[in-house]
Amino acid sequence: DIQMTQSPSTLSASVGDRVTITCRASQNINSYLAWYQQKPGKAPHLLIYRTSSLETGVPSRFIGSGFGTEFTLTISSLQPDDFATYYCQHYHRHFQTFGQGTKLEIK
Amino acid sequence: EMQLVQSGGALVQPGGSLRLSCEGSGFTFRSYWMHWVRQAPGKGLVWVSRINSDGSDTAYADSVKGRFTISRDNAENTLYLQMNSLRAEDTGLYYCARATEVVPNDMWGQGTMVAVSS
Repeated sequence: DIQMTQSPSTLSASVGDRVTITCRASQNINSYLAWYQQKPGKAPHLLIYRTSSLETGVPSRFIGSGFGTEFTLTISSLQPDDFATYYCQHYHRHFQTFGQGTKLEIK
Repeated sequence: EMQLVQSGGALVQPGGSLRLSCEGSGFTFRSYWMHWVRQAPGKGLVWVSRINSDGSDTAYADSVKGRFTISRDNAENTLYLQMNSLRAEDTGLYYCARATEVVPNDMWGQGTMVAVSS
């Protein structure tokens, strides 16, 4: 089974900062990687799919990149609404595996 | 408005059963694969099960295989998860989500809580 590992587990940053979250796959997953944002008490929200495709309505400050086994989610300039937990997800042929999550906190 | 509305969560004793429901509206439900994802209290997301658009193909996480059954009724626009032989470790918030081959989990239900305890 493919394992997804995110780092860091927690990230402290300030409004306006540029931050990057990393997601590593235990084997080559090509570009089948998505990112979700989850706020407390809410369902996850799809941000990016196929490594770098922005879901409709998601601000362009969210940038996904990578291929194979290493992927990143970059938020170019943090906004107050961005403080949340982020999950990467490998998906292929309708099987899914999530990373353990990265909590983005206000410094 | 496109949405998935969930129901069926409850407190149940170990070894008990429960059926979760997820009703879609505002979109062509029968065109989408559907997934169940769960989240234990304070923990991350874990994929549980999925079903194809016509209900002929299903898959399960090893942790629930043989105990949970996913199904759907496209005439009623509803997805189900029948949960049997429940264990304490099945406790959590259960989400349904729709997906296509290209775009995963672009719409989620609001979640329904399952608590397994004596």
